[in-house]
Amino acid sequence: DAGVTQSPTHLIKTRGQQVTLRCSPKSGHDTVSWYQQALGQGPQFIFQYYEEEERQRGNFPDRFSGHQFPNYSSELNVNALLLGDSALYLCASSPDGGFVNTEAFFGQGTRLTVV
Amino acid sequence: LAKTTQPISMDSYEGQEVNITCSHNNIATNDYITWYQQFPSQGPRFIIQGYKTKVTNEVASLFIPADRKSSTLSLPRVSLSDTAVYYCLVGDKVDSSYKLIFGSGTRLLVRP
Repeated sequence: DAGVTQSPTHLIKTRGQQVTLRCSPKSGHDTVSWYQQALGQGPQFIFQYYEEEERQRGNFPDRFSGHQFPNYSSELNVNALLLGDSALYLCASSPDGGFVNTEAFFGQGTRLTVV
Repeated sequence: LAKTTQPISMDSYEGQEVNITCSHNNIATNDYITWYQQFPSQGPRFIIQGYKTKVTNEVASLFIPADRKSSTLSLPRVSLSDTAVYYCLVGDKVDSSYKLIFGSGTRLLVRP
């Protein structure tokens, strides 16, 4: 079992550009959540996807959007990048629609640097 | 906002037992308490989860008093590789599904 895989591992973008990050959940997991982690801070919840729909959202602007595919994989899109978007972006998956209080499995993250 | 409060940092020595206490005064009746470990540039890793009393697994123990307003993660005989950030979380259930709300965590430094 490959666990949660994210791609790419590192990315450098210029202010104003757009970026797409990808996540494949752990086998058997149907719920994907995305987190942003700035240096020295704890992960901040961006949003959660289940059944191909955004089910919950944290305090992030509309520049952050996502998608979940029928195979449960997910993408995070960020438009009009700002320097402050530089962070480690983490994907976490969980089973059973996240309805049961179960542990979440995290990927290694994508390190995004905006210059 | 994070629903938990924990020390910013702790120091220990190899072989010692480390106890990290977390405060969660407003925990809801059906919330579980979960601890994650994170190494630099890696995703958090689940350590242990509990609801009340004591839970033990192969890496840690979790002590939860009857009022559930706090919890203590106990790491027996730590090694240098246990140097990491430890996060205490309580479930945040919205519309029947859970999301994880992280605080700033406790940075544990294990010295030789």
